[in-house]
Amino acid sequence: GENVEQHPSTLSVQEGDSAVIKCTYSDSASNYFPWYKQELGKRPQLIIDIRSNVGEKKDQRIAVTLNKTAKHFSLHITETQPEDSAVYFCAAVGFQKLVFGTGTRLLVSP
Amino acid sequence: DTGVSQNPRHKITKRGQNVTFRCDPISEHNRLYWYRQTLGQGPEFLTYFQNEAQLEKSRLLSDRFSAERPKGSFSTLEIQRTEQGDSAMYLCASSPGTGGVLRITDTQYFGPGTRLTVL
Repeated sequence: GENVEQHPSTLSVQEGDSAVIKCTYSDSASNYFPWYKQELGKRPQLIIDIRSNVGEKKDQRIAVTLNKTAKHFSLHITETQPEDSAVYFCAAVGFQKLVFGTGTRLLVSP
Repeated sequence: DTGVSQNPRHKITKRGQNVTFRCDPISEHNRLYWYRQTLGQGPEFLTYFQNEAQLEKSRLLSDRFSAERPKGSFSTLEIQRTEQGDSAMYLCASSPGTGGVLRITDTQYFGPGTRLTVL
């Protein structure tokens, strides 16, 4: 079945810096890769997703890149702000289910 | 509020008791999912429904767990004879139901979760 690994587990940056979170997956048939942001005590919220027919997608300060050959995808956040502080989860679609990574706790210091 | 809702938000129970959680999906969403999330981990898939049909169950879902979606709208998750290891956040999500059923590629929207504590 699908296995998703996510790194780093914790990431601390200064406000205005960029942050990059990387994930790898095992199922070469996976074709959908969403990213969720979860603030403390709140529900996971979709922030961006990418499908396997594109290599990159951007939405303002957030971008996701996908390398299907290497089976890895990354989240890029530019010009980080304190409100970006949260836990970020990547996911990949397996057989009849989404498989999530273990999360990255991002801390943006003013 | 037109988002996914879950009740109760918190549940404290004693070991051995039965508990039932409810999830109300976004209106007209055909697919409904249950996940379990423990501290420091990502959501783990438990089961999912396409309308009223339960199409997939994780091996995490022991025979003490049962889920229903009788009319294709709200869903319930019941845990019988709770154990301390069942303590977790139980998340529900829904999606429109577009695309194939074998590889789910439509966006899932999560509810706020039910936090279960088993003493």
